[in-house]
Amino acid sequence: RKEVEQDPGPFNVPEGATVAFNCTYSNSASQSFFWYRQDCRKEPKLLMSVYSSGNEDGRFTAQLNRASQYISLLIRDSKLSDSATYLCVVNIYAGNMLTFGGGTRLMVKP
Amino acid sequence: DGGITQSPKYLFRKEGQNVTLSCEQNLNHDAMYWYRQDPGQGLRLIYYSQIVNDFQKGDIAEGYSVSREKKESFPLTVTSAQKNPTAFYLCASSRGAGAPKTGELFFGEGSRLTVL
Repeated sequence: RKEVEQDPGPFNVPEGATVAFNCTYSNSASQSFFWYRQDCRKEPKLLMSVYSSGNEDGRFTAQLNRASQYISLLIRDSKLSDSATYLCVVNIYAGNMLTFGGGTRLMVKP
Repeated sequence: DGGITQSPKYLFRKEGQNVTLSCEQNLNHDAMYWYRQDPGQGLRLIYYSQIVNDFQKGDIAEGYSVSREKKESFPLTVTSAQKNPTAFYLCASSRGAGAPKTGELFFGEGSRLTVL
């Protein structure tokens, strides 16, 4: 089983739709959780951290479910510019490096 | 502007040849990393360095080598021992040991290596 797993997609949604991705992680002791965004053939960039209580940044909402060992990313009112691959990133072992999921590809259509 | 510069952006090499990818940062970051990305897969850590003159193997270090003689520079050599070197290579930096907590890695634009 992979340490960090994501549905690769693609998720094809119309503009204005709400879309959600989940990401599961294997180690219940994982400390920190993040979402990165990667545009086609570009480098990844930090989108947002995921806090235990859940957090929101504009149209983006991130949530953590420790009991079921998954994090989620919700995007409201999708824009064409949201089309990208979203990478789930976890600090699996305290003090260790970050582990990346394989990414979920989102395509927002007009 | 501060950032990370990787070169070359595209590189072709013949089997059996070593190749060195450059990574330079002017962010004054202590830690630097090399990742490899294959299609449909997440980033996998090759090597990382938390301070000058020190570096550690990541998950897939076999067939690669690095050096960290200067804070600003962390070159990666892909040796002929690497069985499947065709991939997208990403260099990153962070302020230091805080990266696992803050999650903020700053990436270069990547180097795309193709072995012919």
